[in-house]
Amino acid sequence: DADVTQTPRNRITKTGKRIMLECSQTKGHDRMYWYRQDPGLGLQLIYYSFDVKDINKGEISDGYSVSRQAQAKFSLSLESAIPNQTALYFCATSDSQTVSYNEQFFGPGTRLTVL
Amino acid sequence: SQQGEEDPQALSIQEGENATMNCSYKTSINNLQWYRQNSGRGLVHLILIRSNEREKHSGRLRVTLDTSKKSSSLLITASRAADTASYFCATASGGNEKLTFGTGTRLTIIP
Repeated sequence: DADVTQTPRNRITKTGKRIMLECSQTKGHDRMYWYRQDPGLGLQLIYYSFDVKDINKGEISDGYSVSRQAQAKFSLSLESAIPNQTALYFCATSDSQTVSYNEQFFGPGTRLTVL
Repeated sequence: SQQGEEDPQALSIQEGENATMNCSYKTSINNLQWYRQNSGRGLVHLILIRSNEREKHSGRLRVTLDTSKKSSSLLITASRAADTASYFCATASGGNEKLTFGTGTRLTIIP
């Protein structure tokens, strides 16, 4: 969905470095999510936010932190990257005010490689 | 943990044939959704079926839901090369409505 953007699209970094992945949306949605996808697996939820003041851990939050700077921006940080965090990372949004309120809209993904 | 498990993991069919993929899940749900992912890209929502619905159609897509068996199927009729992608089911349950995704079916349409 072009209304959900992620930066950077690709990133190679070294073990121990701090990395921030950013997500912005112009859909006006209140809910935002971060997922990671490993080869051959589905998406695993890292963190989710139902509004600016609401941050919740997902299934695999260890080693990650997030910040919801505004309704439109949700960033994911890896404080000290490790090789097994090499994965494809997706941001998604949803709108709690619609009938299909948990239909999610995904960004294009960030491919992160930790050496 | 994965709530949904898709079956088969991979499927190859000739263009024009119908493709069927299945999803089983473990706990009670409020709704079930199907998403498509083209290689390395973000997921795109295809269709949502609520727990009180048994069948739903959208274009060439037909989704069924059997809550007694905790399973769903996605049928794509008259397949096209552009349907080549991975397909994921996702379930929403509980009060907070976050989604839990399955492991996906990789569909290849042979021209």
